[in-house]
Amino acid sequence: GESVGLHLPTLSVQEGDNSIINCAYSNSASDYFIWYKQESGKGPQFIIDIRSNMDKRQGQRVTVLLNKTVKHLSLQIAATQPGDSAVYFCAELSDWRFGNEKLTFGTGTRLTIIP
Amino acid sequence: KAGVTQTPRYLIKTRGQQVTLSCSPISGHRSVSWYQQTPGQGLQFLFEYFSETQRNKGNFPGRFSGRQFSNSRSEMNVSTLELGDSALYLCASSLSGQSNTEAFFGQGTRLTVV
Repeated sequence: GESVGLHLPTLSVQEGDNSIINCAYSNSASDYFIWYKQESGKGPQFIIDIRSNMDKRQGQRVTVLLNKTVKHLSLQIAATQPGDSAVYFCAELSDWRFGNEKLTFGTGTRLTIIP
Repeated sequence: KAGVTQTPRYLIKTRGQQVTLSCSPISGHRSVSWYQQTPGQGLQFLFEYFSETQRNKGNFPGRFSGRQFSNSRSEMNVSTLELGDSALYLCASSLSGQSNTEAFFGQGTRLTVV
């Protein structure tokens, strides 16, 4: 069935270093992906999105790469800061063209920034 | 502008009871979605409402239901609670539309079933 999954459940990175969080998906028809950050006690927060007509998109200190050939996307966070410690989810937005948005989330990666 | 507001933040119920959770979306947002988050299953889609109509539904039993009011506020109800219903229930609102699909999440309602 359709799924959006993550390679690693935990990741520890030294403050100031770059981090890369990976995500694999199985539905080749998936065409809209979103990365969310969830801090303890809070709901998921939108970070960045990418549609299938792109293979790279950049935001402030974040870059998302999409490889449709191998059905893989990644989130790169540059110059990590303590505030980046959180659980990161990739999600596929389905049915968005029809307005019936539904997010299918991956299992999440816990990123810990080591001071 | 105010974010998505969910009430209550915490709730303890016993098995067999029912519960109603509330979500007030961001002003102007007409789409409201509900998600269940558990350590074992992660974030799972429950249903989505737009203009008082359920447009999309996840794979949850009929004990889980929802509704949306004319002011876009939404409620979800779980009847005959089971221990496995203990979870963080998250609500998200969005403008809904092809050009703006960013969903904003509330802080969630932590439901504990004992």
